[in-house]
Amino acid sequence: EADIYQTPRYLVIGTGKKITLECSQTMGHDKMYWYQQDPGMELHLIHYSYGVNSTEKGDLSSESTVSRIRTEHFPLTLESARPSHTSQYLCASRNTGLQTDTQYFGPGTRLTVL
Amino acid sequence: GENVEQHPSTLSVQEGDSAVIKCTYSDSASNYFPWYKQELGKGPQLIIDIRSNVGEKKDQRIAVTLNKTAKHFSLHITETQPEDSAVYFCAASGMRGAQKLVFGQGTRLTINP
Repeated sequence: EADIYQTPRYLVIGTGKKITLECSQTMGHDKMYWYQQDPGMELHLIHYSYGVNSTEKGDLSSESTVSRIRTEHFPLTLESARPSHTSQYLCASRNTGLQTDTQYFGPGTRLTVL
Repeated sequence: GENVEQHPSTLSVQEGDSAVIKCTYSDSASNYFPWYKQELGKGPQLIIDIRSNVGEKKDQRIAVTLNKTAKHFSLHITETQPEDSAVYFCAASGMRGAQKLVFGQGTRLTINP
C-alpha cells in the first residue's frame, strides 16, 4: 500500500475562490507529480518536481502553481478557480533509485467549480 | 520525446475469457514499462511492470510481454472476473532516472457476467 495522501478528496467551490490541494507522501520519494484527469480519461501531467525547491511545468498548460518546500509535501494552488478547472487532480510520487522506478498515485481530489 | 499509443480505448469481454491490451512506444531508450489499473473514484494502482531486459513477466492471472524490436508491449488478463472491470493505463520510461513516465490514453475494460 502506497503512503501518499491527498486532501480534500472532494471539493465544491464557487468561481473566483483561491484553493490549495494538498499532497503528502511518507516514502521519502524525491520526485512528485500532479496530473489532471477527466473521468476515465487520459492522465495529463501539469506539474512535477525533482526534489526540494525544484518545480517544472508539465505537458498540459495549467493556471495552477505548485511549491516543494519539503520532500514530503507538494501542494497545488489555484489563485482564482473557474468552472473550466473542474476535474480530478491526482498526485503521484516516485523514487528512481537503482532498485526501483515505481510510481505511486494518491486517491485524487475531485474538484467542482460552480 | 517518448510517445505511447494504447489500443483499444474500450474492450468488452465475457467473464472467464481473456483480455489483451496493447501499447506501442517511440523511444528505443525506454527501459521500464508499468501497467496501472484505475477503479472508479480511485487513483491508478500499479498491477505489473516489466523492464527491457525481460521479455515476459507473469503474476497469477495477469502477464505482460515486451517486444523491444517492435517497440510494443501488451497486458494479458486470463480468466477475467467482474472485478477486473476498470480503466487500464500503460506507461513507458526512458533511461533510468528519467523524470517522467509517459502514459498511454487508457483502455476501459468491461467484464460481462
